[in-house]
Amino acid sequence: DGGITQSPKYLFRKEGQNVTLSCEQNLNHDAMYWYRQDPGQGLRLIYYSQIVNDFQKGDIAEGYSVSREKKESFPLTVTSAQKNPTAFYLCASSETGENYGYTFGSGTRLTVV
Amino acid sequence: QKEVEQNSGPLSVPEGAIASLNCTYSDRGSQSFFWYRQYSGKSPELIMFIYSNGDKEDGRFTAQLNKASQYVSLLIRDSQPSDSATYLCAAAGWGGADGLTFGKGTHLIIQP
Repeated sequence: DGGITQSPKYLFRKEGQNVTLSCEQNLNHDAMYWYRQDPGQGLRLIYYSQIVNDFQKGDIAEGYSVSREKKESFPLTVTSAQKNPTAFYLCASSETGENYGYTFGSGTRLTVV
Repeated sequence: QKEVEQNSGPLSVPEGAIASLNCTYSDRGSQSFFWYRQYSGKSPELIMFIYSNGDKEDGRFTAQLNKASQYVSLLIRDSQPSDSATYLCAAAGWGGADGLTFGKGTHLIIQP
């Protein structure tokens, strides 16, 4: 079955540490996205990529970095510069064009300890 | 700044009744609109999308779009307790490849 896999499901980060969240899709979608969700809040766009080796900043990119070396993979690194990283992180992918739809992974819950 | 506004609720509806969820958006350039359902602690699931003015029906769900009023709604007929969740409205530009803008969601409670 096609889908998006995020790992790990839960992640704990110490102060000053960088951590990387994995996102892999086998839907052959061109576009991939990272969103952050805080309690009682909607999803906010961190980074997105429409094609391999290219990506753009979203609304809240500061303190995060990404890469897109393969079509299937779009890892997100939460750096020590992100001062409030505790949140639910969601990866999504989509086709482009009129009949697109966004498919979400199951999410990674990151907590600073 | 693109914004999508939703009433956070909670919206309480008796089982079997019609639940009506509303959403407004600020960017007139938005072309397509999405409704997602999100259960607590889970990722959003796509219910419907709409890009033409008027109504679009899928089973118990009807999405309505009025671009002149910048207004989107979702009707759920014959509401079931399993429909209790947070419903997220989202807007996208043409093609949507530059990401969706989400509202904060409406918490819906279906009372048995």
